Amino acid sequence: KQEVTQIPAALSVPEGENLVLNCSFTDSAIYNLQWFRQDPGKGLTSLLLIQSSQREQTSGRLNASLDKSSGRSTLYIAASQPGDSATYLCAVRKWNYGQNFVFGPGTRLSVLP
Amino acid sequence: DVKVTQSSRYLVKRTGEKVFLECVQDMDHENMFWYRQDPGLGLRLIYFSYDVKMKEKGDIPEGYSVSREKKERFSLILESASTNQTSMYLCASSPRWRTGNNEQFFGPGTRLTVL
Repeated sequence: KQEVTQIPAALSVPEGENLVLNCSFTDSAIYNLQWFRQDPGKGLTSLLLIQSSQREQTSGRLNASLDKSSGRSTLYIAASQPGDSATYLCAVRKWNYGQNFVFGPGTRLSVLP
Repeated sequence: DVKVTQSSRYLVKRTGEKVFLECVQDMDHENMFWYRQDPGLGLRLIYFSYDVKMKEKGDIPEGYSVSREKKERFSLILESASTNQTSMYLCASSPRWRTGNNEQFFGPGTRLTVL
């Protein structure tokens, strides 16, 4: 059974720092991996989707990498800002069909001014 | 931009009531999903639908049913609400599986409290 973990559970950094969030999954046979951000009491906002054949994806100050063989993905945030404060979740999909998205528990990020 | 909307942001119901949560998406997506999110348990899939009138159970379907009469609308029904169904409910949609770009897009969530 696929299990997804995220380390650390919470992170607090001063504004301007570059930071890395980690996502690990136990079964490397994935179809794709998606990173989301969630603000308190709100829904999830999609940040990046990485297909299994890709090594990384970039969007603005965000860069996500994928190493399927080691079961890991990282989300790199450059020059963090207070507006980046949120919970970040990763989700892996095993097959291109069906109810097979497995979510991690999330990392709660606080960026201090 | 994909837009997924949910009928209510906050809802308070009493035990035993029948509860309808509505979700609408405007991007002509084939797939729609209902999740619940609880502290310490993360997101768990209740039901999903890959076409009109089609549905499949997720990880925790007990106590819930769904309806998809139109492509853009996916309803979650609590037949007889119980206090353990107090939760944040999140709807999502994605393009059909075969496109490859099956990114999920979420609605803002409905926080349901059952008294």
